[in-house]
Amino acid sequence: DTAVSQTPKYLVTQMGNDKSIKCEQNLGHDTMYWYKQDSKKFLKIMFSYNNKELIINETVPNRFSPKSPDKAHLNLHINSLELGDSAVYFCASSQGAGYNQPQHFGDGTRLSIL
Amino acid sequence: GDSVTQMEGPVTLSEEAFLTINCTYTATGYPSLFWYVQYPGEGLQLLLKATKADDKGSNKGFEATYRKETTSFHLEKGSVQVSDSAVYFCALSGGSNYQLIWGAGTKLIIKP
Repeated sequence: DTAVSQTPKYLVTQMGNDKSIKCEQNLGHDTMYWYKQDSKKFLKIMFSYNNKELIINETVPNRFSPKSPDKAHLNLHINSLELGDSAVYFCASSQGAGYNQPQHFGDGTRLSIL
Repeated sequence: GDSVTQMEGPVTLSEEAFLTINCTYTATGYPSLFWYVQYPGEGLQLLLKATKADDKGSNKGFEATYRKETTSFHLEKGSVQVSDSAVYFCALSGGSNYQLIWGAGTKLIIKP
């Protein structure tokens, strides 16, 4: 059983389109995260939810909107996609928000904007 | 604010060589320290962690010791294998912010 699963694994789309990435975790964790990893492997936190409440909301264009329907799911919707959005997006989860708690990552969604 | 600095990569070694990847940190309070590994095409996995000064984390032949006096958490392995080729990330949590603070990652290439 995959602990943190993201869909789709690959997403190729045109500039200006709207797309969503889904994430589900079956670890029973209460905190979930979205990260963006650029081509140089630099990892940037975007959002975090704890018990469905937004607790981290970094400086990210408002074209990006997270939604957490329940503790096990955190989806990411992106409007009006731009070339600079091309990256790998990782979902992660942990029990508790930070402090001593390791995060478990999905395999990533590779987003390519044409 | 809190920060993590890792040595720049790529680090290229021959199989069976000794590995050190340096990591230093700046944080208020008493953070926990982590090493994560990212194999090609995969997500990050926790490799090891240490939660207090002088703790040693170890896993899969890798070790790192939490050194408060030098604010360091260097990753070491005595004899690397080709399968260790990956990107390694140092991270801290529990400083002034409950987020995980990430280093920039160090790419490791092991040649047979």
